[in-house]
Amino acid sequence: QSVLTQPPSVSAAPGQKVTISCSGSSSNIGNNYVSWYQQLPGTAPKLLIYDNNKRPSGIPDRFSGSKSGTSATLGITGLQTGDEADYYCGTWDSSLSAQGVFGGGTKLTVL
Amino acid sequence: EVQLVESGGGLVQPGGSLRLSCAASGFTFSSYSMNWVRQAPGKGLEWVSYISSSSSTIYYADSVKGRFTISRDNAKNSLYLQMNSLRDEDTAVYYCARRKNSGYSWGQGTLVTVSS
Repeated sequence: QSVLTQPPSVSAAPGQKVTISCSGSSSNIGNNYVSWYQQLPGTAPKLLIYDNNKRPSGIPDRFSGSKSGTSATLGITGLQTGDEADYYCGTWDSSLSAQGVFGGGTKLTVL
Repeated sequence: EVQLVESGGGLVQPGGSLRLSCAASGFTFSSYSMNWVRQAPGKGLEWVSYISSSSSTIYYADSVKGRFTISRDNAKNSLYLQMNSLRDEDTAVYYCARRKNSGYSWGQGTLVTVSS
């Protein structure tokens, strides 16, 4: 059971837009920055979004992030078959036992 | 370019020990906090441990507290994870991850298999 809640799967057609939600609490998302990762099959995760909505250099602007209260959202526009992957949200949890936390992951299928 | 190369994984029996290493390059290692994150086969990401740039602050996941020890050697640009009393459920790919702002940059991972 992950601390952050993501939908197990989402799907959309090529060229369309999709959003992936990440729900937490005041001790994690509510008071810390959120990051997002893409994991292609058989590879290490790759940073897509940090500090809620910032993109590292080299990440196309088709990927966007937002945060409101205790939830965050990853948006992907102009879907491509190469975007098929698992997506994870992550943040810090500032409760008594400080620790990093991740969502359970969302499998994106581009139909 | 940030490069993180993990090593030290392998097959170990339950109750055994293993020491993972992570060699860092392409950035000023001593300026960044570091983490270990693991991923069991077919499962999601699980944060394991954090160490600050000067080693003054260390945190562990409850699942490994008392069994795993994180450390670093800034002179050698290296991060370590000493794993003792290993259990079947510790089987996973272990990633070394640099934390910059709120995001992680990742190594390629090293596989640890705990089995008799």
